[in-house]
Amino acid sequence: DTGVSQDPRHKITKRGQNVTFRCDPISEHNRLYWYRQTLGQGPEFLTYFQNEAQLEKSRLLSDRFSAERPKGSFSTLEIQRTEQGDSAMYLCASSLALGAGETQYFGPGTRLLVL
Amino acid sequence: KNQVEQSPQSLIILEGKNCTLQCNYTVSPFSNLRWYKQDTGRGPVSLTIMTFSENTKSNGRYTATLDADTKQSSLHITASQLSDSASYICVVSARKDSSYKLIFGSGTRLLVRP
Repeated sequence: DTGVSQDPRHKITKRGQNVTFRCDPISEHNRLYWYRQTLGQGPEFLTYFQNEAQLEKSRLLSDRFSAERPKGSFSTLEIQRTEQGDSAMYLCASSLALGAGETQYFGPGTRLLVL
Repeated sequence: KNQVEQSPQSLIILEGKNCTLQCNYTVSPFSNLRWYKQDTGRGPVSLTIMTFSENTKSNGRYTATLDADTKQSSLHITASQLSDSASYICVVSARKDSSYKLIFGSGTRLLVRP
């Protein structure tokens, strides 16, 4: 257990529905990252926050995706009008910005299946 | 283009045997290289981190090497155990402005059989 928690752990939804995932980082960590991982691949960067500010978004993050970190603590990732191609593991990671030595601690992930 | 390539894609070994996983990267500017272990259905967990000046780093039965000239790294697992069955992901950090961008490899899936 790295100290990063994600909820739910699994989600099955029908195409076209909206889903929301939550990530609770390690409490003193100021950076929070979202990744997507498909079977047999490494994680792909989606977006990251420093405190409550969303500093970078990947081109993978289409208009249907939105992430928030309203109080600089937990974060939510919402996918609107889900598509079958959204099926993946969504990983959250947190870190303390320390420059080159920064280590990201990953949560267990939320596995999404879109039918 | 920043890339991290890992080989082999998958590997099966017998319990107690040693194995070596490879990672080649084309990342610039290079900051550091990490190996992560990811159990099935879990998030990745950091095993080792190496900066440009470090050649070798050990963590128990795991030993990572880095050759910054050839841009290659390896992860050697000694006396493998069934619990070593997992995906091993090589991650290279590139400096980008005031932050660091992580580039992930696709991983090597290791299966240790009794």
